[in-house]
Amino acid sequence: GAGVSQTPSNKVTEKGKYVELRCDPISGHTALYWYRQSLGQGPEFLIYFQGTGAADDSGLPNDRFFAVRPEGSVSTLKIQRTERGDSAVYLCASSPNSGGEGETQYFGPGTRLLVL
Amino acid sequence: AQSVTQLGSHVSVSEGALVLLRCNYSSSVPPYLFWYVQYPNQGLQLLLKYTSAATLVKGINGFEAEFKKSETSFHLTKPSAHMSDAAEYFCAVSGGGGFKTIFGAGTRLFVKA
Repeated sequence: GAGVSQTPSNKVTEKGKYVELRCDPISGHTALYWYRQSLGQGPEFLIYFQGTGAADDSGLPNDRFFAVRPEGSVSTLKIQRTERGDSAVYLCASSPNSGGEGETQYFGPGTRLLVL
Repeated sequence: AQSVTQLGSHVSVSEGALVLLRCNYSSSVPPYLFWYVQYPNQGLQLLLKYTSAATLVKGINGFEAEFKKSETSFHLTKPSAHMSDAAEYFCAVSGGGGFKTIFGAGTRLFVKA
């Protein structure tokens, strides 16, 4: 079946602009995660959804970052007033059950964001 | 708090040689441990995971890892490297009732012909 998809694959924007990054999880997966991967680093946790609600948003770096998942499937990560330091690859992952400990996460290919 | 340290940002081996990628973790609760692989322009893919069952875990593509609590390690091995194993490998930890997965910085594996 189809895996996790993310759009766009690349996004170039100017400092101060607003961007939205989209994630389509595997059909039926209830848990969804967002990560940020900077150059030379491992993925950094941002937020976790269980269904429609954000169960853990402790990784969001500041209030410019926000994510939604209104119908429990597609999720959008929103970044306001982008800064050059936001440049990174944004990864989305989903998992089938509760998203609890030990569960395998299935990753999308990522959106590469470049803020000029 | 949990953390992961991957020793060596780059590892180079000859084709057919042993692959050893090192991972040490820190966790105040029983951990779940993972190894993921990332091929160029692809998403992360699970190689194997430890979830408190057998301490020696076998994964895909001939990889395995051993959980050693006394050493707080979860090193990844493969007896004989193949050119197709060239990729970036990430060790990760979760546990303690939270939903976060903490990743290491990654180790890039190069395989020489």
